Amino acid sequence: DGGITQSPKYLFRKEGQNVTLSCEQNLNHDAMYWYRQDPGQGLRLIYYSQIVNDFQKGDIAEGYSVSREKKESFPLTVTSAQKNPTAFYLCASSTDARKNIQYFGAGTRLSVL
Amino acid sequence: GENVEQHPSTLSVQEGDSAVIKCTYSDSASNYFPWYKQELGKRPQLIIDIRSNVGEKKDQRIAVTLNKTAKHFSLHITETQPEDSAVYFCAARTDRGSTLGRLYFGRGTQLTVWP
Repeated sequence: DGGITQSPKYLFRKEGQNVTLSCEQNLNHDAMYWYRQDPGQGLRLIYYSQIVNDFQKGDIAEGYSVSREKKESFPLTVTSAQKNPTAFYLCASSTDARKNIQYFGAGTRLSVL
Repeated sequence: GENVEQHPSTLSVQEGDSAVIKCTYSDSASNYFPWYKQELGKRPQLIIDIRSNVGEKKDQRIAVTLNKTAKHFSLHITETQPEDSAVYFCAARTDRGSTLGRLYFGRGTQLTVWP
């Protein structure tokens, strides 16, 4: 489960502020994913990317944005439009979308000040 | 899209007993069903998975069964131990169209094993 690094571990956001969560992998995986985890809600998909320079919205993309300029990096920006951003955010990657054994990072816990 | 339902949401068992967690899915095109274990404050980790061409798979004390006709799959843990205490998530993957490769997760089951 090494090879996927999320930073920071804890993050605090002020009102009206955009914050960016980092996700880096050195597993040479093509596909990367962002999930939001709230108690009792399971893992909800925010965005995913099957290949560099391409990404798709998941089920709860509103208020979030991503980029995939490099294979190893898939940063998530939580914008001020996301009114309830407090959650645990998990990044995952897989060798390719078809095989899809997903490996997760250690997560970032975001709180609102 | 796919809809995965998971039951129960909480499960308490005595050490040494068996635990069963059940999931149903809605899309008959789903073909891959992983189970993840997430210990408190940790990342989810894959513990077992099954593909649609197999009915059952076992790995030591854990096993997964799949009934494609009924569209449900289950996780079985035998001889439970306190270290099995965690949240368990089931998931399903469909390769249908634009959703190629994405997983749909259940809401999770909090398993507590009492010594």
